Amino acid sequence: DIQMTQSPSSLSASVGDRVTITCRASQSISSYLNWYQQKPGKAPKLLIYAASSLQSGVPSRFSGSGSGTDFTLTISSLQPEDFATYYCQQSYSTPRAFGQGTKLEIK
Amino acid sequence: QVQLQESGPGLVKPSQTLSLTCTVSGGSISSGGYYWSWIRQHPGKGLEWIGYIYYSGSTYYNPSLKSRVTISVDTSKNQFSLKLSSVTAADTAVYYCAREYFSCTNGVCSLYNWFDPWGQGTLVTVSS
Repeated sequence: DIQMTQSPSSLSASVGDRVTITCRASQSISSYLNWYQQKPGKAPKLLIYAASSLQSGVPSRFSGSGSGTDFTLTISSLQPEDFATYYCQQSYSTPRAFGQGTKLEIK
Repeated sequence: QVQLQESGPGLVKPSQTLSLTCTVSGGSISSGGYYWSWIRQHPGKGLEWIGYIYYSGSTYYNPSLKSRVTISVDTSKNQFSLKLSSVTAADTAVYYCAREYFSCTNGVCSLYNWFDPWGQGTLVTVSS
């Protein structure tokens, strides 16, 4: 099974900051990688699919990059509504696997 | 747009079977191009994929749960369901249903799949 590891597990940042979250796969998954945002008490929401494609309706300050085993999610200028937990997920193989999450908190 | 809604008991006794249903609205579960999935989240923890079903009835389960999981589909009701047997406290979690997009061309399917949308989730507690 493919394991997904995110870093950091938590991150404190301020409104307006540029933030990068990293996701590493235990083996190459090409660009079969998605990113989700989850707010407390809510279901995850798709942000990025296929490593770098922005889901419709998602602000352009979100971007994704990477291929193979290393991926990043970048938020170019943090907004108050971006404080949430972010998960990566591989679609290369079953069982589908998610990273453990990165909690983005207000500094 | 397509919406998913989980339903079922919020409390299940240990050793019994957890049963949940996901009702799909705004689109047909039989339209093809989607796997219908169950995902759970233990309190304060990350996301665990349980398995999926295609409208034809084909299934795939997470090997970690395979011996206890059954996912079924009722196309006439536009619903799919999860059964998890022999539950313990470790099965206490928020259970989500979600649609997994996939695409195939000339019989070759892309691996560019993703979960969207998700249901709102339902908390199931296993306790006597």
